[in-house]
Amino acid sequence: GDSVTQMEGPVTLSEEAFLTINCTYTATGYPSLFWYVQYPGEGLQLLLKATKADDKGSNKGFEATYRKETTSFHLEKGSVQVSDSAVYFCALALPHTGANSKLTFGKGITLSVRP
Amino acid sequence: NAGVTQTPKFQVLKTGQSMTLQCAQDMNHNSMYWYRQDPGMGLRLIYYSASEGTTDKGEVPNGYNVSRLNKREFSLRLESAAPSQTSVYFCASARQGASVEKLFFGSGTQLSVL
Repeated sequence: GDSVTQMEGPVTLSEEAFLTINCTYTATGYPSLFWYVQYPGEGLQLLLKATKADDKGSNKGFEATYRKETTSFHLEKGSVQVSDSAVYFCALALPHTGANSKLTFGKGITLSVRP
Repeated sequence: NAGVTQTPKFQVLKTGQSMTLQCAQDMNHNSMYWYRQDPGMGLRLIYYSASEGTTDKGEVPNGYNVSRLNKREFSLRLESAAPSQTSVYFCASARQGASVEKLFFGSGTQLSVL
């Protein structure tokens, strides 16, 4: 079945450090890929997306490139801030007849950024 | 500007008790979803409702029932709570036909079953 694998966490970084969070996927067909962020006490929010191979999603200084050859969608940011402390989820979706496409999530990783 | 509202935010139950988690959205969305979030497991879909009057099972429906009361409200019921149902529950909604990522999530209900 479809699945998303994220690197083990948690991750703790100092402010202005470089961030990479790894994500790989297994899917039949051609999925769309997403990164969601969950700030403390809030629901998930879409951070960025890519819908086909070699697409790069970007938002708020975060980037991720859809790599079909390595089935990966790693999240990167050049200089993290304390306000980036959150839980990050990688997800995929394939079209599903009769309803909105359904998301398959990775297990999430907690990022803590120290001042 | 409420979006998706879930009640309660926190709940503690004893094994065997029943309760209903409430979810309401004010965005005129057709589709609504219930997910559970467990440590190390990510979010898993329990049930969804593609439109008013329809409900379908997701990945982990056992032990739950749902009701799409009207277009705005989608409730999740635990008839006989078990410790394995200790989790954070998220409701989400989306416009019919919208791209999958355009889900709006509530802030969650943290449920503990003792």
